[in-house]
Amino acid sequence: KAGVTQTPRYLIKTRGQQVTLSCSPISGHRSVSWYQQTPGQGLQFLFEYFSETQRNKGNFPGRFSGRQFSNSRSEMNVSTLELGDSALYLCASSPMLLTGGHEKLFFGSGTQLSVL
Amino acid sequence: AQKVTQAQTEISVVEKEDVTLDCVYETRDTTYYLFWYKQPPSGELVFLIRRNSFDEQNEISGRYSWNFQKSTSSFNFTITASQVVDSAVYFCALSGGNDMRFGAGTRLTVKP
Repeated sequence: KAGVTQTPRYLIKTRGQQVTLSCSPISGHRSVSWYQQTPGQGLQFLFEYFSETQRNKGNFPGRFSGRQFSNSRSEMNVSTLELGDSALYLCASSPMLLTGGHEKLFFGSGTQLSVL
Repeated sequence: AQKVTQAQTEISVVEKEDVTLDCVYETRDTTYYLFWYKQPPSGELVFLIRRNSFDEQNEISGRYSWNFQKSTSSFNFTITASQVVDSAVYFCALSGGNDMRFGAGTRLTVKP
């Protein structure tokens, strides 16, 4: 079974631009959650999508958004990039709803975003 | 609010030493789950264990063991006879209600 796939692996953007990251979950998994990892803040929960609906959201500004398609693939968008958005963005999938379901997560290798 | 504290930022040991990674959590939920994940240099977090709040039995899996103590709100992870391949960042996580929190992680370096 293929694992969680995230593309691209690396991205370099400049301040003010926007970026879209993609995540393909494990086949059959309906939940996709996104995390931001930085040396200073560690791993922080961004949001979770389940059956094309955002089910829960972390404490991030509205510049961070996402969506999920009918095949469970998910995209995350960050608009008006700031230097502080430089981070490793990780996506994880699980068979059932994460928040409230306490499922174990299967992670992708992440997208390393650098904002210059 | 939930909180997970991994006070050890970095640990360095020599191969074959035993090492314990500490995890202390805070939650008001009576039902919650605790996790440990390993993040090797490739970046992908790998699930190691899940424990629910009603199961305080310790668990052993090969060289890995976990000690869950509700009285001290701790869920510590011990690697026995460490190996170079154990070098990674280890995260403790807490899931309860609609919240998932990770600790800051402990970077373990095992030297040959």
